[in-house]
Amino acid sequence: GESVGLHLPTLSVQEGDNSIINCAYSNSASDYFIWYKQESGKGPQFIIDIRSNMDKRQGQRVTVLLNKTVKHLSLQIAATQPGDSAVYFCAENGGAMEYGNKLVFGAGTILRVKS
Amino acid sequence: NAGVMQNPRHLVRRRGQEARLRCSPMKGHSHVYWYRQLPEEGLKFMVYLQKENIIDESGMPKERFSAEFPKEGPSILRIQQVVRGDSAAYFCASSPPGSRETQYFGPGTRLLVL
Repeated sequence: GESVGLHLPTLSVQEGDNSIINCAYSNSASDYFIWYKQESGKGPQFIIDIRSNMDKRQGQRVTVLLNKTVKHLSLQIAATQPGDSAVYFCAENGGAMEYGNKLVFGAGTILRVKS
Repeated sequence: NAGVMQNPRHLVRRRGQEARLRCSPMKGHSHVYWYRQLPEEGLKFMVYLQKENIIDESGMPKERFSAEFPKEGPSILRIQQVVRGDSAAYFCASSPPGSRETQYFGPGTRLLVL
């Protein structure tokens, strides 16, 4: 079936460096994407979202890029901090607008920030 | 400005018992979603509800699992006759009427079946 997957299961970066977390999706009908951060023992925390009519969206220290041609999504974190250490998930809506938009999650990427 | 609330945070049950997980959506949110997360995996959709209605239960196991979102009170995910394979983290999310896709998650309930 359709799925969302991540290229790198674990990413280690030095504090202060920029981080890039990648995600590939396979459902061409998806028109909405979200990045979540999940710390140990907690629920997923909304980071940033993007619709398919956009290529780029920026937030505070984070940028999401969407390449619909190759069905690729990335999350860029500027000046990575120790508090950014977590598991990051991308999720897509599968294009099911009329059914309330259940989200399909990728497996997750572990981000480790070294001080 | 409370977020999505779930209780209990941890639940231990013996095989064959029933588990009841509760979720109170964010204030003003009328859509509730339940997801299950196995260790070191992503979240898997289970069910989507609005008040008094199940909209999409395509991710729910056919037996033993049920969900409701009554007119008054929290949403309930009920697992009857639990088995060890039900051990997982169960997350509830809610979204506002005008933006159903943007889902905000609660802290989850960790269910352990002995």
